[in-house]
Amino acid sequence: AQSVTQLDSHVSVSEGTPVLLRCNYSSSYSPSLFWYVQHPNKGLQLLLKYTSAATLVKGINGFEAEFKKSETSFHLTKPSAHMSDAAEYFCVYGGATNKLIFGTGTLLAVQP
Amino acid sequence: SQTIHQWPATLVQPVGSPLSLECTVEGTSNPNLYWYRQAAGRGLQLLFYSVGIGQISSEVPQNLSASRPQDRQFILSSKKLLLSDSGFYLCAWARGYGDTEAFFGQGTRLTVV
Repeated sequence: AQSVTQLDSHVSVSEGTPVLLRCNYSSSYSPSLFWYVQHPNKGLQLLLKYTSAATLVKGINGFEAEFKKSETSFHLTKPSAHMSDAAEYFCVYGGATNKLIFGTGTLLAVQP
Repeated sequence: SQTIHQWPATLVQPVGSPLSLECTVEGTSNPNLYWYRQAAGRGLQLLFYSVGIGQISSEVPQNLSASRPQDRQFILSSKKLLLSDSGFYLCAWARGYGDTEAFFGQGTRLTVV
């Protein structure tokens, strides 16, 4: 069965330092993968998506993610964290079905 | 452009009362529609999805039901709410299968008291 695993439930970084949010997937198919961000009591906003084109995907707000088939990973990175990046981030699997499967989320805290 | 509307934004309901949350999409036709629930400290759980009018797939057995009376309208209902139904409910739409991104409404915070 298809699934995604977000390896860290909480990540804390200092402002200006790099961000790494980890995601691994399990799939028999070539997956589509997404990262979404959710600010408190808000809906979800798409950060970026991978759909079998370039393996390095650039998204909004300086985020990017690299699809690594050999490692079944799709980690989200940003070179320099900003206070406004504090939010919850979800890695999402999509594929040949109608369902989007969400990871359990990573709460990112950014310290001044 | 496409927009998704979900209401109400917040709702406080007593145990045993009925529920109706509505979601509508504008600017597209025949979308896939989804209801998710997000409980405190958890990820998003897919409750229902629909690929067309009257076509509802349920992901988890529960006290809730969904209906799609029109192409771009998706309703989440309950006849009698339980305390465990409290949570943040999100409606979403997508153009096709899971290889396209979903677009989310702003959510409904439901508190059952």
